[in-house]
Amino acid sequence: EDQVTQSPEALRLQEGESSSLNCSYTVSGLRGLFWYRQDPGKGPEFLFTLYSAGEEKEKERLKATLTKKESFLHITAPKPEDSATYLCAVHASGGSYIPTFGRGTSLIVHP
Amino acid sequence: NAGVTQTPKFQVLKTGQSMTLQCAQDMNHEYMSWYRQDPGMGLRLIHYSVGAGITDQGEVPNGYNVSRSTTEDFPLRLLSAAPSQTSVYFCASSRSRDRLEAFFGQGTRLTVV
Repeated sequence: EDQVTQSPEALRLQEGESSSLNCSYTVSGLRGLFWYRQDPGKGPEFLFTLYSAGEEKEKERLKATLTKKESFLHITAPKPEDSATYLCAVHASGGSYIPTFGRGTSLIVHP
Repeated sequence: NAGVTQTPKFQVLKTGQSMTLQCAQDMNHEYMSWYRQDPGMGLRLIHYSVGAGITDQGEVPNGYNVSRSTTEDFPLRLLSAAPSQTSVYFCASSRSRDRLEAFFGQGTRLTVV
């Protein structure tokens, strides 16, 4: 059974205080690992797709990395507008389309 | 492009009532899917479609029906609402089998009393 565990559940940072969110996964074969951002009362917004170990993607203050067992979302010098819940999901290789989502990390950045 | 549009945004049903949640996308995506999001749990897939006329069950399909008569539309039907179906529902679309990143609608908050 595919599993995705995100840590920490909640994270409070001061503006400018860099940190990382973790997504550990267990899957028979990885088709892709996805990061999303979700603001309160809104649908998730796609951020990154990672396909293979060693891959990295960047967007503004966010950088996602991937190993064979986990992914990190690094947030450099965060701003209050980065406050959101960050979701990680995996799609396994094979015929099934059913993704497995983690429960998310709630990030609050204080000014 | 409007992206993925869901209606309604809020709905209150009585136990046993039926209703349809509407979802439309204008990005010509092949894949469409319905999720529910409950406190303390990850998003869970209800049903999905890989193209017009093709649907399949997800992780939690019981109590829900779907159909996909066109590429653009993917309605979700609650057959006989139960309190356990109180949740936030999201529709999403993905470009293709090789581009599975999902684009989500704004959600429908459903309460069954």
